[in-house]
Amino acid sequence: DAGVTQSPTHLIKTRGQHVTLRCSPISGHKSVSWYQQVLGQGPQFIFQYYEKEERGRGNFPDRFSARQFPNYSSELNVNALLLGDSALYLCASSEEKATGQSETQYFGPGTRLLVL
Amino acid sequence: AQKITQTQPGMFVQEKEAVTLDCTYDTSDPSYGLFWYKQPSSGEMIFLIYQGSYDQQNATEGRYSLNFQKARKSANLVISASQLGDSAMYFCAMRGSNYKLTFGKGTLLTVNP
Repeated sequence: DAGVTQSPTHLIKTRGQHVTLRCSPISGHKSVSWYQQVLGQGPQFIFQYYEKEERGRGNFPDRFSARQFPNYSSELNVNALLLGDSALYLCASSEEKATGQSETQYFGPGTRLLVL
Repeated sequence: AQKITQTQPGMFVQEKEAVTLDCTYDTSDPSYGLFWYKQPSSGEMIFLIYQGSYDQQNATEGRYSLNFQKARKSANLVISASQLGDSAMYFCAMRGSNYKLTFGKGTLLTVNP
């Protein structure tokens, strides 16, 4: 079975530009989460979507937005890029149940974003 | 708020020996899950093992086991019979009622031949 896929794998942008990152979850998984991992740190939670609805949002500015499509794939959008947005962006999918607290999240390979 | 603390920035172990990676956590949620992930230099986070807060037994998955001490709020990962391919960053994470994963800063494990 295919795991979580992300595209693109690498991306170089300049300050002020906009970027869209894409994620396809494991087949049958209805929840997608996005994380930002800067060098030397653990991943930080950005968003979680379940059944196309935003379920949670981390402490990130409004420049960050996301959505989930009917096929459960997801996009993360970042506007007005700053140098500090340079990071590895990880997408994770999970099966989720209505009250699932501890469903395992499976991660994709990530997108490495460099902002110059 | 949830917090994960990994106090070992780096660890070294000889091939075929066992190693313990430390993790302590803090949460006010009565029910939570604890996870360990491995991140090789390629960047992908690989799920290793899960422990639920109400599980009576310590979780095991092949060479990985989780030493869960609820009263001490610790969830240490034990890797038995280390292999060269185990060299990577290891992250402890927890998930409570708010669905997100909270990660520690990680421990870089180096396995020496």
